[in-house]
Amino acid sequence: DAGVTQSPTHLIKTRGQQVTLRCSPKSGHDTVSWYQQALGQGPQFIFQYYEEEERQRGNFPDRFSGHQFPNYSSELNVNALLLGDSALYLCASSLWRDVNEQFFGPGTRLTVL
Amino acid sequence: KNQVEQSPQSLIILEGKNCTLQCNYTVSPFSNLRWYKQDTGRGPVSLTIMTFSENTKSNGRYTATLDADTKQSSLHITASQLSDSASYICVVSGQAGTALIFGKGTTLSVSS
Repeated sequence: DAGVTQSPTHLIKTRGQQVTLRCSPKSGHDTVSWYQQALGQGPQFIFQYYEEEERQRGNFPDRFSGHQFPNYSSELNVNALLLGDSALYLCASSLWRDVNEQFFGPGTRLTVL
Repeated sequence: KNQVEQSPQSLIILEGKNCTLQCNYTVSPFSNLRWYKQDTGRGPVSLTIMTFSENTKSNGRYTATLDADTKQSSLHITASQLSDSASYICVVSGQAGTALIFGKGTTLSVSS
């Protein structure tokens, strides 16, 4: 049984570009949450998806958007990249009925030059 | 404001020694508290979870305590090993439907 998987592992982009990160939840899970973790900091909540809709959103600008597919997998899109967007992006999956019991993926390391 | 504060920010100990990490929170209402271990560049892995009524929870050499009255938790690591070198993050759940609140973590380095 695969846990949460994320792709790609690492990514290098330049300022102004757009990026798409992908997440497949743990088998049986229906809810996906995305977090941004800057170096030396704790994860910051970006948003959460259930039934293909954004259910909660943290304090992130509209440049950050997402999508959930019928198979529960999810994408995080970031437009007009800034240097400050460089971080580890974590995806966590859970069941909606126990949404805070989250299992984390290995993360995608995004570097913006 | 709901916050989770952890101390110390970083810690260096010798292999075989014990250590205790602290977590103070101001989240209210409180649902549960988790400690996660995060290896460098990897996702967090859950160590323990405690609800309001639980005072202590163990997972091998890791023992977490919770004082819901003072809103403090600690994570005690016994007989540390080199593989314990990681960041330890305290995470608090508030009322249902609200996002998890993460501390910044304590970075533990175990040296031989």
